[in-house]
Amino acid sequence: QVQLVESGGGLVKPGGSLRLSCAASGFTFSDYYMSWIRQAPGKGLEWVSYISSSGSTIYYADSVKGRFTISRDNAKNSLYLQMNSLRAEDTAVYYCARDLWFGVPPKENAFDIWGQGTMVTVSS
Amino acid sequence: QSVLTQPPSASGTPGQRVTISCSGSSSNIGSNTVNWYQQLPGTAPKLLIYSNNQRPSGVPDRFSGSKSGTSASLAISGLQSEDEADYYCAAWDDSLNVSWVFGGGTKLTVL
Repeated sequence: QVQLVESGGGLVKPGGSLRLSCAASGFTFSDYYMSWIRQAPGKGLEWVSYISSSGSTIYYADSVKGRFTISRDNAKNSLYLQMNSLRAEDTAVYYCARDLWFGVPPKENAFDIWGQGTMVTVSS
Repeated sequence: QSVLTQPPSASGTPGQRVTISCSGSSSNIGSNTVNWYQQLPGTAPKLLIYSNNQRPSGVPDRFSGSKSGTSASLAISGLQSEDEADYYCAAWDDSLNVSWVFGGGTKLTVL
């Protein structure tokens, strides 16, 4: 079945780095734009980053620009998020999510498949 | 402070109809489609409504969405106890720094 499974979360000190992974299965990963979305404890959803199917188009939220890098390996059906210079406010559950339609721009799209999330805690 | 504005809470009794509002601006809701997500306690969000008023397969027709100008609404009719969850609206924002924006979420309580 269509599935996304995140991994790589954990406890890291402020200023540290972490790399999250998202393994996709059950669909043609290389067709779809993908995103990372996070949720701080007890808070709402915050979009983090977005990558096109080929990786040629990438967007970041202002809050992570210059610190986080999104990438993908279509041969491995995997999405990644490299997080550097981590801050306490980056503490959250990080979800990867797939676009509903492939080949459709984000303004007309939605997130239809979500992973179960991986927890990132930034604390000394 | 979320870009899209939702009431923090809503409530209703079983069988009632409840609506949740989502207010934005010309750069997001005013020019792009709105999606709604349902998040049950301890689970990942689930797509509930896309393209303003479309339901994915498997979503009951008790859930409906609408959009007018820079605002959108989610309506739930025939409220059931299993509808108790957090609901989020979302839209693409075409401002200087393009991005997805979410509402702050509405916690729906079934009394």
